Amino acid sequence: EAQVTQNPRYLITVTGKKLTVTCSQNMNHEYMSWYRQDPGLGLRQIYYSMNVEVTDKGDVPEGYKVSRKEKRNFPLILESPSPNQTSLYFCASSPSRPLYNEQFFGPGTRLTVL
Amino acid sequence: EDQVTQSPEALRLQEGESSSLNCSYTVSGLRGLFWYRQDPGKGPEFLFTLYSAGEEKEKERLKATLTKKESFLHITAPKPEDSATYLCAVPSGGSNYKLTFGKGTLLTVNP
Repeated sequence: EAQVTQNPRYLITVTGKKLTVTCSQNMNHEYMSWYRQDPGLGLRQIYYSMNVEVTDKGDVPEGYKVSRKEKRNFPLILESPSPNQTSLYFCASSPSRPLYNEQFFGPGTRLTVL
Repeated sequence: EDQVTQSPEALRLQEGESSSLNCSYTVSGLRGLFWYRQDPGKGPEFLFTLYSAGEEKEKERLKATLTKKESFLHITAPKPEDSATYLCAVPSGGSNYKLTFGKGTLLTVNP
């Protein structure tokens, strides 16, 4: 089944404790992206990757890191999480640039930073 | 700064009561506009892409239209299963890879 998977689905952590949220797609998509969704603020793009080893900032990249060493994986790294990073996170992928291709979203990761 | 504004924030309809959702945008040189549907607790699901003013696309009870300033998602004779949050998005920052989403319209259709 073609899908985007995220792990973990739920995570409660404490301020400053480094964490990684994994994202994997099995559709051989070139483009992958991370979003966060907050009440009243909507869905905001954190980082995106056009292909392996090519990444760029979205609208809210502060406090996050990403890497794209393999085509199928695009992990989101929080080096020192803070409470304002408590949010619902979505990973998405598309065959190439999203302008011409629909994005497929993962199921989401709900992160709470205490 | 590129912006996407959706209205209303929430809309409650009776089954069969047609209505429209609005997505207005301020981007320099619109290259496309996307509509997504999001069910509670799930990731957004793609509905439509519109590329130029005057374009229309349909899917079941949904029809999306695009003008130079805004897009409408028309819902004809909605059913309770159409209840969801509807999101629109545009490529932003002059990039084909960066996207800006609106805050969404929460649609509730009562039986």
